[in-house]
Amino acid sequence: QVQLVESGGGVVQPGRSLTLSCVASGFSFSNYGMHWVRQAPGKGLEWVSVISHDGSNKYYADSVKGRFTISRDNIKNTLYLQMNSLRADDTAVYYCAKSLGIVIVPGAIDYWGQGSLLTVSS
Amino acid sequence: QSVLTQPPSVSGAPGQRVTISCTGSSSNIGAGYDVHWYQQLPGTAPKLLIYGNNNRPSGVPDRFSGSKSGTSASLAITGLQAEDEADYYCQSYDSSLSVYVVFGGGTKLTVL
Repeated sequence: QVQLVESGGGVVQPGRSLTLSCVASGFSFSNYGMHWVRQAPGKGLEWVSVISHDGSNKYYADSVKGRFTISRDNIKNTLYLQMNSLRADDTAVYYCAKSLGIVIVPGAIDYWGQGSLLTVSS
Repeated sequence: QSVLTQPPSVSGAPGQRVTISCTGSSSNIGAGYDVHWYQQLPGTAPKLLIYGNNNRPSGVPDRFSGSKSGTSASLAITGLQAEDEADYYCQSYDSSLSVYVVFGGGTKLTVL
């Protein structure tokens, strides 16, 4: 079965950097686009970024553009989110998620990880 | 403030039918882009409930159904059960924004 396991969250000071990882299993990782979606405490879902199956296309939400970088390693079946210049409003649970089909946008997200909590605080 | 508007909350008694609306505009739902729905049970990750406006993934009960008309979409839940109490989110794409995935603000369903 599809499994997405995020790691790398924690408490970080404003202005610092952190990288989230997501190890995928149970499907052919290199055939699907992958997303990062976040959810601030008590708030709704906010899309962060998406990467195509081969890494050639990457898109970002305006709120993270220029600060966050999405990448993937199809040999290690791992998705990454490098986050720089972190701010308090980046505090959220970050979900790694799989695109339903080969088309990353527009399209549905069919599997989600359990999430990794990032807290940005001094 | 999302470009897809959902009611903050809806409620219904066990066995009843409830609907959750997702209102967009001519640059998203009205432009023909598909709408997808997710269920998020308390303390858990979201789960795909409906994709492509009205398709259910394997394992999703047929009590859940989706529809789309004009600039809006709806999620209907029939035979409401206690375990349906959750947050529900619609999702689509907006051609006027530099945001490639847009979610509605979410709707809290309370089973009375």
